[in-house]
Amino acid sequence: QKEVEQNSGPLSVPEGAIASLNCTYSDRVSQSFFWYRQYSGKSPELIMSIYSNGDKEDGRFTAQLNKASQYVSLLIRDSQPSDSATYLCAASYNFNKFYFGSGTKLNVKP
Amino acid sequence: GAGVSQSPSNKVTEKGKDVELRCDPISGHTALYWYRQSLGQGLEFLIYFQGNSAPDKSGLPSDRFSAERTGGSVSTLTIQRTQQEDSAVYLCASSLEVGEQYFGPGTRLTVT
Repeated sequence: QKEVEQNSGPLSVPEGAIASLNCTYSDRVSQSFFWYRQYSGKSPELIMSIYSNGDKEDGRFTAQLNKASQYVSLLIRDSQPSDSATYLCAASYNFNKFYFGSGTKLNVKP
Repeated sequence: GAGVSQSPSNKVTEKGKDVELRCDPISGHTALYWYRQSLGQGLEFLIYFQGNSAPDKSGLPSDRFSAERTGGSVSTLTIQRTQQEDSAVYLCASSLEVGEQYFGPGTRLTVT
């Protein structure tokens, strides 16, 4: 079993809709969680981190963490074509090693 | 401020040659990570440095791969006797002792 799993997609949403990206993780990495966005041919860039159960909002982005169910999600409100990218979920235990999912490709259609 | 930098941005080498990839982390970041990303794939952890502690080398795929970090700053990833399956983008990231990682632009390695 992989430490972090994501649906590869692609996930297609119309412009202005809410995009919902999900990630599940194993017990071994259940401490800190991160979402990265990666445009084609570029390196990953950090969107958000979340450490506690519940929601964390930053602009159009909301990260949700549910440790009991071992999942973390990212909601993107008012999706824009510029949000089209691959979204990587990462988890870390004690910040010593980060485990990345294989990413979900998001397409936002104008 | 300056982000993580990597050099070279692209490297083409012949099978069997050795290559060195360089990473300059963000100033003040004590942790440094190397990853490998093959086309269309996720990130594969290679090695992790934290301060003066012994590095976590558990992700290195073979003994042809090695890395060092001098003076707690710049890091070099060395691949000896390169093989075609080593072709990938090699990404470096740095972070404060505890915190989010910030990635460099990567080095695209092509082994012919």
